[in-house]
Amino acid sequence: KNEVEQSPQNLTAQEGEFITINCSYSVGISALHWLQQHPGGGIVSLFMLSSGKKKHGRLIATINIQEKHSSLHITASHPRDSAVYICAPTKGYQLIWGAGTKLIIKP
Amino acid sequence: DAGVTQSPTHLIKTRGQQVTLRCSPKSGHDTVSWYQQALGQGPQFIFQYYEEEERQRGNFPDRFSGHQFPNYSSELNVNALLLGDSALYLCASSQTNEQFFGPGTRLTVL
Repeated sequence: KNEVEQSPQNLTAQEGEFITINCSYSVGISALHWLQQHPGGGIVSLFMLSSGKKKHGRLIATINIQEKHSSLHITASHPRDSAVYICAPTKGYQLIWGAGTKLIIKP
Repeated sequence: DAGVTQSPTHLIKTRGQQVTLRCSPKSGHDTVSWYQQALGQGPQFIFQYYEEEERQRGNFPDRFSGHQFPNYSSELNVNALLLGDSALYLCASSQTNEQFFGPGTRLTVL
């Protein structure tokens, strides 16, 4: 069983829709990253959180440490949000990478 | 602040050659991690450097080695290149747990 499970693997939605990506992990962690990777490779750190909820613009990330679950939400989605979104808990000094969710937002 | 920078952007080598990739961390960051991302795959942790020492290592052979300099910049060296070493090599810097990524170096081994 993978240490990090993300769902869905692929998601296609219309512009303006509310998007939710889920992440479950089985390892003990100190924090969890949500990362965005666009075609061509660049990785951007969206959030690092160890408890509760964080909001940045149209993005919201939540984490429940007891349930070992985190979610990333995108409100009022836009085609420029199309990317791969990766959940990566921090175990020790390294990130444990989820498989990623490929998100496509159609205009 | 230039953020995390990596050089070169692209590199083509042949099997058996050696390569050195470079990373300059974000200002104020003292920790550098290296990742390998093969096409269509998620990144794999190679190792992390802190205070010029390798602090943690992933499941990579000894052909992969690194170095961190007193200014916290870092190099990744790969010896005896194999076709399977073709990948995007990502560097991430951090001061606490939050990691910031560079644009990567695309290595092609022919």
